Amino acid sequence: EAQVTQNPRYLITVTGKKLTVTCSQNMNHEYMSWYRQDPGLGLRQIYYSMNVEVTDKGDVPEGYKVSRKEKRNFPLILESPSPNQTSLYFCASSRLGTSGNTDTQYFGPGTRLTVL
Amino acid sequence: GENVEQHPSTLSVQEGDSAVIKCTYSDSASNYFPWYKQELGKGPQLIIDIRSNVGEKKDQRIAVTLNKTAKHFSLHITETQPEDSAVYFCAAIPNAGKSTFGDGTTLTVKP
Repeated sequence: EAQVTQNPRYLITVTGKKLTVTCSQNMNHEYMSWYRQDPGLGLRQIYYSMNVEVTDKGDVPEGYKVSRKEKRNFPLILESPSPNQTSLYFCASSRLGTSGNTDTQYFGPGTRLTVL
Repeated sequence: GENVEQHPSTLSVQEGDSAVIKCTYSDSASNYFPWYKQELGKGPQLIIDIRSNVGEKKDQRIAVTLNKTAKHFSLHITETQPEDSAVYFCAAIPNAGKSTFGDGTTLTVKP
């Protein structure tokens, strides 16, 4: 089954304790992305990647890191989490067309993160 | 950068009525405009999309229209049903670039 998986689904942590949220897709998609969703603010893009070893900042990258060492995986790293990073996080993937245009983004089930 | 505004933020309709959600964007480089539906506790799922070389696209009860000159696009749902109740997001995306989403519209369809 074609899907995007995220782990963990729920996480409660404390300020300053490094954490990683994993994302994996089995559709051989070039494009992967991380979003955070906060009430009334929609989906805001944190980082995206057009292919292996190619990453770029979205609208809200501060406090986050990503890496794309393999095509299928795109982990989100919070080196020193703070309470304002409490949010619902979504990973998504998409194929890219021949002119670099994105197509349908397939979203994972989400990770609810609480930073105390 | 791109800025996407979505209206209304909430919409309540009677079953069988039509619902319209509108989005405006600012960056003329955006050329892909998808609409996503998010049900409670799930990730967003694509329901329809349109590219900048097309003015209108329809899929059964759902249609999207795009006005490139005015930089706005709209989602139309006809004959609404209770299962259409969800949060809907629009997005504007350029080639090989950032994805910018609207803030979402909570649609409630009353039986």
